[in-house]
Amino acid sequence: KAGVTQTPRYLIKTRGQQVTLSCSPISGHRSVSWYQQTPGQGLQFLFEYFSETQRNKGNFPGRFSGRQFSNSRSEMNVSTLELGDSALYLCASSVQGQGREAFFGQGTRLTVV
Amino acid sequence: KQEVTQIPAALSVPEGENLVLNCSFTDSAIYNLQWFRQDPGKGLTSLLLIQSSQREQTSGRLNASLDKSSGRSTLYIAASQPGDSATYLCAAPSNTGNQFYFGTGTSLTVIP
Repeated sequence: KAGVTQTPRYLIKTRGQQVTLSCSPISGHRSVSWYQQTPGQGLQFLFEYFSETQRNKGNFPGRFSGRQFSNSRSEMNVSTLELGDSALYLCASSVQGQGREAFFGQGTRLTVV
Repeated sequence: KQEVTQIPAALSVPEGENLVLNCSFTDSAIYNLQWFRQDPGKGLTSLLLIQSSQREQTSGRLNASLDKSSGRSTLYIAASQPGDSATYLCAAPSNTGNQFYFGTGTSLTVIP
C-alpha cells in the first residue's frame, strides 16, 4: 500500500513569505504529526492531529499552524518566513497516536533565502 | 519531559563487523520504542518497534532490545554492509503517545 506522501519535496521561499506543506497519510491512518529537522536542533515536534483535531502542539511560535481534513490529509502553514525556518519538515502517520508504529514521509526541504 | 540520548554520535566500521548502537531515555513509563533509519536528505524509515511488554524484536540482521528499568535500548546490526551506512535514530513516545522524542542519532559508516 502507498506510504506517507509529502508535497512538495523541495521549496525555496523568500523571507517574509508564507508556505503551505501537504501530507497524505497511509490509508486508514487518522493520526498525523509534523516534525522539523535541522542540523543544530535535530527532530522537534510541531503538532499532532487526530480526526481533524489538534491534540498536541510543540514549542513553536504561532507562525506555525496546521490543520487536518476529513480524509486525514494534513497541511502545515508557516507565515512570515525567517531564515531559521529552513529545515526538513517531516510528516508521520499512525493508526492512532497512542503506542502505535509511526511511518514517516520523505519530507519537504524548505529553504528560506 | 522525556529526554533521549544516543551514543556514539558517529561510528565507522569495516564491512562484516557486528555492531551495537545505544539509546537511553529518562522516563521509563513508555508504551514502546521505535528505531528508524535515515539516509541523507531523506525521510525516516521504520526499522523496529519494540512494545513495552517485549524485551527484543528482530528483523533480518537487526535486533533491538528494550530494558525499561534501566532506560536503555540497543540496536544490534549483524554482519554490517556498506548499504547499512545511514543515520540511526531511536524515538520514545510521550505519555499520551501523541508525539515522539528523538535522540540525535548515530551516523554509521560501513567501509567496504
